[in-house]
Amino acid sequence: DIQMTQSPSSVSASVGDRVTITCRASQGISDWLAWYQQKPGKAPKLLIYGASNLQSGVPSRFSGRGSGTDFTLTISSLQPEDFATYYCQQANSFPYTFGQGTKLEMK
Amino acid sequence: EVQLVESGGGLVQPGRSLRLSCTASGFTFGDSVMSWVRQAPGKGLEWVGFIRSNAYGGTTEYAASVKGRFSISRDDSKSIAYLQMNSLKTEDTAVYYCSRDHNTPMESTYYGMDVWGQGTTVTVSS
Repeated sequence: DIQMTQSPSSVSASVGDRVTITCRASQGISDWLAWYQQKPGKAPKLLIYGASNLQSGVPSRFSGRGSGTDFTLTISSLQPEDFATYYCQQANSFPYTFGQGTKLEMK
Repeated sequence: EVQLVESGGGLVQPGRSLRLSCTASGFTFGDSVMSWVRQAPGKGLEWVGFIRSNAYGGTTEYAASVKGRFSISRDDSKSIAYLQMNSLKTEDTAVYYCSRDHNTPMESTYYGMDVWGQGTTVTVSS
């Protein structure tokens, strides 16, 4: 199975900050990666597909980069509604696997 | 409105069975790949399984943790995907989500799980 490792596991930041979350795959997955945002008690929401493509309706302050094994999700200027947990997910091969999550907390 | 609604969750004893349903509306369900994802209390997301559209044989894939116990099926005439869970264990306790997925041989990249239900809670306990 492909292991997905996110870092950091948690991060404290302030409104207006730039935040980057990293996701590393245990083997190459090309660009078969998605990023999701999840708020407590809610279903995940797709932010980024194909490693770097912004899902329709998602604010442009979110961006994704990477290919192969190393990927990043960047929020360019944090807004209050961005405090949530973020997950990466690979779909290059079965079983799909998710990263362990990164909790973004308000400083 | 594009929507998925899960149902069928509840409290069940270890070793028993439960069937979850995922009812779709607002899109062409028969053309869609569907995934199930679960989340144990206080934990991260875990992919459970996947069913291709009938155009791709309606075949399924499963996580090792549920293979042989869980099965996914679909009824395109009713726009419903099912998750049949047998021989339930306490570690299957979780919120179960269905999602519309995008993973076919025709895709050049992965378009992600773009529509999710609200989730249904399954508690396995004696």
